[in-house]
Amino acid sequence: QKEVEQNSGPLSVPEGAIASLNCTYSDRGSQSFFWYRQYSGKSPELIMFIYSNGDKEDGRFTAQLNKASQYVSLLIRDSQPSDSATYLCAVNKGGSEKLVFGKGTKLTVNP
Amino acid sequence: GAVVSQHPSRVICKSGTSVKIECRSLDFQATTMFWYRQFPKQSLMLMATSNEGSKATYEQGVEKDKFLINHASLTLSTLTVTSAHPEDSSFYICSVSSGRENTGELFFGEGSRLTVL
Repeated sequence: QKEVEQNSGPLSVPEGAIASLNCTYSDRGSQSFFWYRQYSGKSPELIMFIYSNGDKEDGRFTAQLNKASQYVSLLIRDSQPSDSATYLCAVNKGGSEKLVFGKGTKLTVNP
Repeated sequence: GAVVSQHPSRVICKSGTSVKIECRSLDFQATTMFWYRQFPKQSLMLMATSNEGSKATYEQGVEKDKFLINHASLTLSTLTVTSAHPEDSSFYICSVSSGRENTGELFFGEGSRLTVL
């Protein structure tokens, strides 16, 4: 089992819709969970992080964490074409500062 | 967040040569920096943890003699790919920890794309 798994997509949604991105992880010792956005040819940029079970909202983005199910998700409301990118889920390894990344889900928002 | 700058952003070199990539933390004193590598359509893979004033810690499978890391100051870490070969062609990205205890929150440099001919 891979440490961090994501559906590679591509995920395609129309402009204005909700995009739902999912991620599962294997290390139960992980404490911090991150969503990064990566445009083609660029380095990742942090969108959100979450530490506690439940939902965390920041503007159009909502991160959801369920440690019992080892599952973390990202919802993007009112999706915009500029949201088109690859979204990387990352989990800190054994509670350390090291991050383990999933392969990413490519999202396309169609105008 | 921290501002992290990498140089060069792109480099093309001949097989067998060495290439040095610099990573600077512009507004943050970073005792720890991380070097990642990303092959096309693949995930970021942690190569090593760079520690200011001490030896880097390499991940399993990463050759420390091939990927030399120097972290001589709180604002600069360098990665030297020695005797580069085409299979070393990749996107190398450095990152700085936010410093929040045990969070793993990272800020990334712009990345350096290495092409070895």
